[in-house]
Amino acid sequence: DADVTQTPRNRITKTGKRIMLECSQTKGHDRMYWYRQDPGLGLRLIYYSFDVKDINKGEISDGYSVSRQAQAKFSLSLESAIPNQTALYFCATRDSGIETQYFGPGTRLLVL
Amino acid sequence: GENVEQHPSTLSVQEGDSAVIKCTYSDSASNYFPWYKQELGKRPQLIIDIRSNVGEKKDQRIAVTLNKTAKHFSLHITETQPEDSAVYFCAASISRGGGNKLTFGTGTQLKVEL
Repeated sequence: DADVTQTPRNRITKTGKRIMLECSQTKGHDRMYWYRQDPGLGLRLIYYSFDVKDINKGEISDGYSVSRQAQAKFSLSLESAIPNQTALYFCATRDSGIETQYFGPGTRLLVL
Repeated sequence: GENVEQHPSTLSVQEGDSAVIKCTYSDSASNYFPWYKQELGKRPQLIIDIRSNVGEKKDQRIAVTLNKTAKHFSLHITETQPEDSAVYFCAASISRGGGNKLTFGTGTQLKVEL
């Protein structure tokens, strides 16, 4: 689904570095989400936003922060990356009137 | 919070056979249950969903059933084909006030063998 894009698609970084993952959408959806996927653990919610002034923590927000720069953009930051943050990160969007969440292509992050 | 358990973690079937994946949830207030399919290296995509006011929903070869009393729901795929091979995730959420936080199961790797 080209309407939800994520950059970068792959990233290798070192322990202690600050990095930002970006998500953009052209769907006009107001709700945006960040998940991480680990083998055997499924998808876990990090942060979510219902509009530019509304940011909420998910089940695993420690070590992460987010910024909703505009309705179409939602960024995830790792303030000081650690190896156990190595994972596949997905952004998702949803319209307030419809339940379906649409996922971006994912960012594969490796923290050395 | 909500907890979703999914079984089995891996499932291998012969082409043409049926596949069933089961999930249980903990919060009786959950009222929306989607299923996502994730092919290797791709993003999760919704394949079917069901709301708590419906017991069963079907879309061609896939169907989902919901038992609110037992708090479990299942995905049924009939006449499986090689292209059905993927990881399938169930999820549950409480949809109220516009909120929709999905809690996902841990996934089932389905392999359809020729």
